[in-house]
Amino acid sequence: IAGITQAPTSQILAAGRRMTLRCTQDMRHNAMYWYRQDLGLGLRLIHYSNTAGTTGKGEVPDGYSVSRANTDDFPLTLASAVPSQTSVYFCASSPRRGYNEQFFGPGTRLTVL
Amino acid sequence: DAKTTQPNSMESNEEEPVHLPCNHSTISGTDYIHWYRQLPSQGPEYVIHGLTSNVNNRMASLAIAEDRKSSTLILHRATLRDAAVYYCILSASGGSNYKLTFGKGTLLTVNP
Repeated sequence: IAGITQAPTSQILAAGRRMTLRCTQDMRHNAMYWYRQDLGLGLRLIHYSNTAGTTGKGEVPDGYSVSRANTDDFPLTLASAVPSQTSVYFCASSPRRGYNEQFFGPGTRLTVL
Repeated sequence: DAKTTQPNSMESNEEEPVHLPCNHSTISGTDYIHWYRQLPSQGPEYVIHGLTSNVNNRMASLAIAEDRKSSTLILHRATLRDAAVYYCILSASGGSNYKLTFGKGTLLTVNP
């Protein structure tokens, strides 16, 4: 692994189903982030984690949950998916919260029907 | 949060310099100016950042106005691989409220 990986690459999901998007980084970064990108709205922060064991809410946290059991992994869970959660999801990391450069993963394209 | 204003789109020719403008008239003294770009079907990629002085790196240069109310990202010789959406973002460095707020950015088209 080099950098940040996300899985799956894309997914079509029925409304009401539970879904976990995976994110793993091998750079030993303390801070990690989840964004969603929608046409015309730019990227919006969903949740973040300053360090393993801590998480915080971003701009659009409703309907999403995260956990940070260790430094490398930061999964994003949709407990009961709705069509408005159709989006492209990007995971990012940085050495620490507030570090000026964030490193982004390749994204997961999620479609909720 | 302080806002940024960028043109929706710009066009350039290959191997010519490109100047991408950004206005941020409400910038605060602690806000850093960041530039990211996003190539088609990829995640955003860090380009450069600065606070007050002009900055250079292997990808680009950042020229910051003396009053810090505007800045310009300079690509010295555009290539086809530079075609992307470029985001100008303000963020205070450090602290628990640190975040990057991405706007709509400038879509740069590079003509061969």
